Amino acid sequence: GIQVEQSPPDLILQEGANSTLRCNFSDSVNNLQWFHQNPWGQLINLFYIPSGTKQNGRLSATTVATERYSLLYISSSQTTDSGVYFCAVEVTYNFNKFYFGSGTKLNVKP
Amino acid sequence: DAGVIQSPRHEVTEMGQEVTLRCKPISGHDYLFWYRQTMMRGLELLIYFNNNVPIDDSGMPEDRFSAKMPNASFSTLKIQPSEPRDSAVYFCASSPLNEQFFGPGTRLTVL
Repeated sequence: GIQVEQSPPDLILQEGANSTLRCNFSDSVNNLQWFHQNPWGQLINLFYIPSGTKQNGRLSATTVATERYSLLYISSSQTTDSGVYFCAVEVTYNFNKFYFGSGTKLNVKP
Repeated sequence: DAGVIQSPRHEVTEMGQEVTLRCKPISGHDYLFWYRQTMMRGLELLIYFNNNVPIDDSGMPEDRFSAKMPNASFSTLKIQPSEPRDSAVYFCASSPLNEQFFGPGTRLTVL
């Protein structure tokens, strides 16, 4: 099956810093989503981004499907950004079946 | 819309007991997914439905697990009999086509 690798696995930031999280995948995909799992365990949609670039406030994401990676940018990080960030991909040969990466655990310190 | 609703939010049971988890998807979403999250295995897809019909149940761990979707607004995931290794957070998600929206999850502890 498809391999979804996220890096870095852990990240510690000082409040106000910027960061880039990466998601690499080993096969062609139809769709890609980024999620934030907050410290209470809730999975929150950040971006649905099969290709191109999207921005939402301090967060933006870019997916280059032909090169099989996606990037999530967090600017001016805040303590509320802490949690785990997951990317999930839907493969072209298995419609609607999403595979999750193992996540990047982010800790933003005040 | 209230989002995906799951109940109960927490469940503690003893080994051998039957456990039923419930999910109400977002109205109008044709797809419903059940996931399990553990530290060891991360997020795993167990089963998904399209228009109330199970499409792919290859992720269901064994016969002790079963899922139903009797109508467009309700689904259950049942474990019978439960075992300690079933302890995990179980998420339900729904989708209109491509983008998935998750419920708050049910934290299951089997003693």
